[in-house]
Amino acid sequence: AQSVTQPDIHITVSEGASLELRCNYSYGATPYLFWYVQSPGQGLQLLLKYFSGDTLVQGIKGFEAEFKRSQSSFNLRKPSVHWSDAAEYFCAVGARNYYGNKLVFGAGTILRVKS
Amino acid sequence: NAGVTQTPKFQVLKTGQSMTLQCAQDMNHEYMSWYRQDPGMGLRLIHYSVGAGITDQGEVPNGYNVSRSTTEDFPLRLLSAAPSQTSVYFCASTDAYEQYFGPGTRLTVT
Repeated sequence: AQSVTQPDIHITVSEGASLELRCNYSYGATPYLFWYVQSPGQGLQLLLKYFSGDTLVQGIKGFEAEFKRSQSSFNLRKPSVHWSDAAEYFCAVGARNYYGNKLVFGAGTILRVKS
Repeated sequence: NAGVTQTPKFQVLKTGQSMTLQCAQDMNHEYMSWYRQDPGMGLRLIHYSVGAGITDQGEVPNGYNVSRSTTEDFPLRLLSAAPSQTSVYFCASTDAYEQYFGPGTRLTVT
């Protein structure tokens, strides 16, 4: 069965600093990987996704993620964080079987941005 | 095109009451899912479906029931609410491998 680990529960960065959020997954086949962001009291917004091909994926809001099969990782990066990036970030791995399409989520990383 | 809609947005139940959370999508997607979100646990899959008449259990199905009579609708029923079911519930509709989430229902069971 697939699983996702986000080792950092909280991360605090200064505005303008670079950001890396870690995600490790366990999955028996080629994974479909996602990063979502959730602001307090809001729903989930898809930042980016990886299905196949180029292992460096560009997303919205200046985010990117790199798929590293050898390390079973899909870390999220941003070169310069803005105060509006403060939110909770979820990594997820996708699986599909006859009955449907489901995601397994990590526990999330809460990002705090200090000015 | 409304995407995925959920009703109600908020609900308070007493222990033992039953209710149905509604979910509808207008994108003609085959796949729909229900998740619950609890602090520090991310989202966990409750039930999912590939189309009318076909559903399966996810990670945390106990206490919940689903059916899928149409492509558009995928209601989630709480049979006898318990305080442990206090959570935020998200419905999702899938286009290939991308999931589109509804705005959520915040449920409190007292």
